[in-house]
Amino acid sequence: KAGVTQTPRYLIKTRGQQVTLSCSPISGHRSVSWYQQTPGQGLQFLFEYFSETQRNKGNFPGRFSGRQFSNSRSEMNVSTLELGDSALYLCASSPVGDSYEQYFGPGTRLTVT
Amino acid sequence: GENVEQHPSTLSVQEGDSAVIKCTYSDSASNYFPWYKQELGKGPQLIIDIRSNVGEKKDQRIAVTLNKTAKHFSLHITETQPEDSAVYFCAASRAGGYQKVTFGTGTKLQVIP
Repeated sequence: KAGVTQTPRYLIKTRGQQVTLSCSPISGHRSVSWYQQTPGQGLQFLFEYFSETQRNKGNFPGRFSGRQFSNSRSEMNVSTLELGDSALYLCASSPVGDSYEQYFGPGTRLTVT
Repeated sequence: GENVEQHPSTLSVQEGDSAVIKCTYSDSASNYFPWYKQELGKGPQLIIDIRSNVGEKKDQRIAVTLNKTAKHFSLHITETQPEDSAVYFCAASRAGGYQKVTFGTGTKLQVIP
């Protein structure tokens, strides 16, 4: 079974621009979560989607948004990029039901200059 | 909210020795405790997990213990090998059918051949 895929793997953007990252979960998984990983703050939860609905949200500004499509694929968008948004953005998928296991993709490395 | 503390931040061991990483959590309602291994350039990989109704779980050279009263859980790696070198993260989450996982700050494990 194919793992979680994220595109693109690397991105360089300029301050003030916006960016969209994509995540395809493991086949059959309906929950997708997004995390920001930085050396200083570690892994921080952004939001989680299940059946196209955002079920939970972390403490990030409104510039960070996401959505999930009917095929469970998810996108996250960051508008008005700031230098501090430079990070590895990780997507994780989970099976349905009571399973808590999360399976991570390789991440998208975003650099804001 | 949940707070997870992880120690040590770095750990060096000789090949063949054991390694122990410890975590504490603050939310007594947390009931799922996964451990992830992250190698350079990759996303975190789930290596073992434990639920609150279990005190210990073992999988080959890896074991996890949980003390719910003290809100402690630990990862034990025996007979360490160079390929065990990576960053390890503990995490905690709560039941409820949604995923909001709080991660520890990570332990960089170096196994010296």
